[in-house]
Amino acid sequence: AQSVTQLGSHVSVSEGALVLLRCNYSSSVPPYLFWYVQYPNQGLQLLLKYTTGATLVKGINGFEAEFKKSETSFHLTKPSAHMSDAAEYFCAVSDPFTGTASKLTFGTGTRLQVTL
Amino acid sequence: NAGVTQTPKFRVLKTGQSMTLLCAQDMNHEYMYWYRQDPGMGLRLIHYSVGEGTTAKGEVPDGYNVSRLKKQNFLLGLESAAPSQTSVYFCASSSVTPTGLNTEAFFGQGTRLTVV
Repeated sequence: AQSVTQLGSHVSVSEGALVLLRCNYSSSVPPYLFWYVQYPNQGLQLLLKYTTGATLVKGINGFEAEFKKSETSFHLTKPSAHMSDAAEYFCAVSDPFTGTASKLTFGTGTRLQVTL
Repeated sequence: NAGVTQTPKFRVLKTGQSMTLLCAQDMNHEYMYWYRQDPGMGLRLIHYSVGEGTTAKGEVPDGYNVSRLKKQNFLLGLESAAPSQTSVYFCASSSVTPTGLNTEAFFGQGTRLTVV
């Protein structure tokens, strides 16, 4: 079984400050890892994903995440927060093999607040 | 660029009423999913389908039924709505790469359902 833990349900940063959203996972197989963003009253939009290869992955809007197998982590970072980054962020894990489809197991989400 | 379309976007039901949520995708994806989103719980998988005519239970299937009569559509039914089914429902779809691995999931905009 897979699980995802997101530390901190709410994170507040100042505009221009570093954004760090934490995600730890457990999986019995090498997982696929994802970060999705949800703006108010919207669906989920893929920010970035790790499947195989380079462990540092870059996504949209200046976000990046690093897969650290030894720490079972996939933390999301952005060097400089912008007001438009205020949203809820979800980390998710799935099994890469087609026999189980892309069933995603989500974390509980982290709401990012950006202040002036 | 429709992607994944959900109807309706909002609905209020009385306890005991029934309804069907429709999800349509125009990306020719093999896999489709229904999730529910509740505060502090992230998204949880209700049912999913790995192909036309097939469905399977997810993490929280009780009180819901699904059908996938056509590849592009995935219907979620509530036979007798209960207040505990007040939630935001998301449909998603995904595919398979030429090498046989899962792709990421694409989400609809959600359906906000209130059961009173």
